[in-house]
Amino acid sequence: AQTVTQSQPEMSVQEAETVTLSCTYDTSESNYYLFWYKQPPSRQMILVIRQEAYKQQNATENRFSVNFQKAAKSFSLKISDSQLGDTAMYFCAFMDRKETSGSRLTFGEGTQLTVNP
Amino acid sequence: NAGVTQTPKFRVLKTGQSMTLLCAQDMNHEYMYWYRQDPGMGLRLIHYSVGEGTTAKGEVPDGYNVSRLKKQNFLLGLESAAPSQTSVYFCASSFRVRLVGSPLHFGNGTRLTVT
Repeated sequence: AQTVTQSQPEMSVQEAETVTLSCTYDTSESNYYLFWYKQPPSRQMILVIRQEAYKQQNATENRFSVNFQKAAKSFSLKISDSQLGDTAMYFCAFMDRKETSGSRLTFGEGTQLTVNP
Repeated sequence: NAGVTQTPKFRVLKTGQSMTLLCAQDMNHEYMYWYRQDPGMGLRLIHYSVGEGTTAKGEVPDGYNVSRLKKQNFLLGLESAAPSQTSVYFCASSFRVRLVGSPLHFGNGTRLTVT
């Protein structure tokens, strides 16, 4: 079974600065996907970014980028030019590619990010 | 296009009562899921379904039952609610196509309190 660990329950950053959220995972699979989801106070789960394990290039989406270290099983999220609207709970999640797994996501515990003005 | 719709949004139950949470999706997704979210524990998978008429257990299935009689609907039942089932419940759905890691689409959650 896969496990996902987010060791930072809470983080804060000043507006316009850069922050990095950490995530590590454990799996015996070689092909999988990793995701970061954002959950603002509205409770909605919003996909932030996705990484395919067989791609060495780190994924980027505007101000969001990841540092994917497959050998270390590490998947951190970097938010540049932080905005007040980035205040949310952030979840790291793992999905293996086996058909029998039904595209299930395994989530980490979450990191509450607060962006201060 | 509503996406994933969960009803109800809030519910308070007494211990021992039963209820059903309804999830409906209009994206023609094959896969559907029920998760629960508790503080400090992230989201944990309760049950999931890879197609109409099929269901499977997730990480925390005890005390819950599910049914998927129609492709667009996935029901989560609590036969005898317990305070430990106080949580926020999320339904999600996704396509079966896995080549690009089809992401899950989530509903807005149901906050359930069992007293």
